[in-house]
Amino acid sequence: DVKVTQSSRYLVKRTGEKVFLECVQDMDHENMFWYRQDPGLGLRLIYFSYDVKMKEKGDIPEGYSVSREKKERFSLILESASTNQTSMYLCASSGAGTAYQETQYFGPGTRLLVL
Amino acid sequence: RKEVEQDPGPFNVPEGATVAFNCTYSNSASQSFFWYRQDCRKEPKLLMSVYSSGNEDGRFTAQLNRASQYISLLIRDSKLSDSATYLCVVTLQAGTALIFGKGTTLSVSS
Repeated sequence: DVKVTQSSRYLVKRTGEKVFLECVQDMDHENMFWYRQDPGLGLRLIYFSYDVKMKEKGDIPEGYSVSREKKERFSLILESASTNQTSMYLCASSGAGTAYQETQYFGPGTRLLVL
Repeated sequence: RKEVEQDPGPFNVPEGATVAFNCTYSNSASQSFFWYRQDCRKEPKLLMSVYSSGNEDGRFTAQLNRASQYISLLIRDSKLSDSATYLCVVTLQAGTALIFGKGTTLSVSS
């Protein structure tokens, strides 16, 4: 089974703190994604990566950065957390190429509360 | 403008009912289509892909109408365990980020 793990299920941080959210997948997938999910807004793409050291902005990259130093790991960084970044953060991965490989597998999510 | 629109519901149906969800997408260049399911406080999981010819998986039937840019999901003989949020999803090309609808909530009661 594909497994995508995220470093924390719940996280509480203070405004202005630097926050690291880690995501690891064990299927040698090329593509990795970070989304946030908020009530009434659905899932929105923050950043994605097609390869090691490669990143692309999604729909809402402001206030976030990412790092992909190894194929299996994709980190989301909040440089200076703000209360409007309180959300559920979901990491996903997928392989490249065929339609079968387009399936995205999600981690369990991290619920971040910024006070 | 990339957008996927769904009726948010909720759809409240009794066990055994047949229920249909609809979804429209705005970008005619969309290539791949999916339905994901998300249980309360859980991550989304792929329910089924949607093919132009239509496809069926047990009680679930998905259809795509490219001309009308419309996707549907039909659930027959609803079970309590079908209660979840159903997300309509499209991509512009293989391996790219998914574009999610906001989801349709289904509640099946006994």
